[in-house]
Amino acid sequence: ELKVEQNPLFLSMQEGKNYTIYCNYSTTSDRLYWYRQDPGKSLESLFVLLSNGAVKQEGRLMASLDTKARLSTLHITAAVHDLSATYFCAVDTGDDKIIFGKGTRLHILP
Amino acid sequence: KAGVTQTPRYLIKTRGQQVTLSCSPISGHRSVSWYQQTPGQGLQFLFEYFSETQRNKGNFPGRFSGRQFSNSRSEMNVSTLELGDSALYLCASSRGTTYGYTFGSGTRLTVV
Repeated sequence: ELKVEQNPLFLSMQEGKNYTIYCNYSTTSDRLYWYRQDPGKSLESLFVLLSNGAVKQEGRLMASLDTKARLSTLHITAAVHDLSATYFCAVDTGDDKIIFGKGTRLHILP
Repeated sequence: KAGVTQTPRYLIKTRGQQVTLSCSPISGHRSVSWYQQTPGQGLQFLFEYFSETQRNKGNFPGRFSGRQFSNSRSEMNVSTLELGDSALYLCASSRGTTYGYTFGSGTRLTVV
């Protein structure tokens, strides 16, 4: 069965710094999603990546997908406190379900 | 545009009882998926429905069941509740994997 691994699972960083969250998955897929979750809240869709080499950017967040390496990255540029949240990647299995990673809890220190 | 609506938002039930959760998808979305989120296990897939048919099911006991109606609204039922069923249950709707999935606010179930 498809396995999705995110790292790091916890990240504490200073405002203004850059960092990358990695999402590796175990079997072939060309569809990957990134979500944000604030404490006690639901999942907010950030990016839908549909093909090898896909890159999408929204504000200080940029996501990319390398299907050959089975790797997606979520890059944070010049972090601000408002980006503190838990970030999940989810991989489409191709049979009507998505498998989530365990999430990366991001804490940005002012 | 209305989002995915889940009701109720909170539930407290006693062990052994059963519970039904409801999900109304975004208009035009025919796929509805359910997920269980717990601190220990994370987000786990329960099942997915499309046009009233269950197309996939996760590794959960038979106490967990669901259905979808002709208007795409979906319900999930958990019978003989156990303490370990306490979780946030999330519903997601989609009009196709190309567009991704939109999640509802969830139902937080506490079993005492």
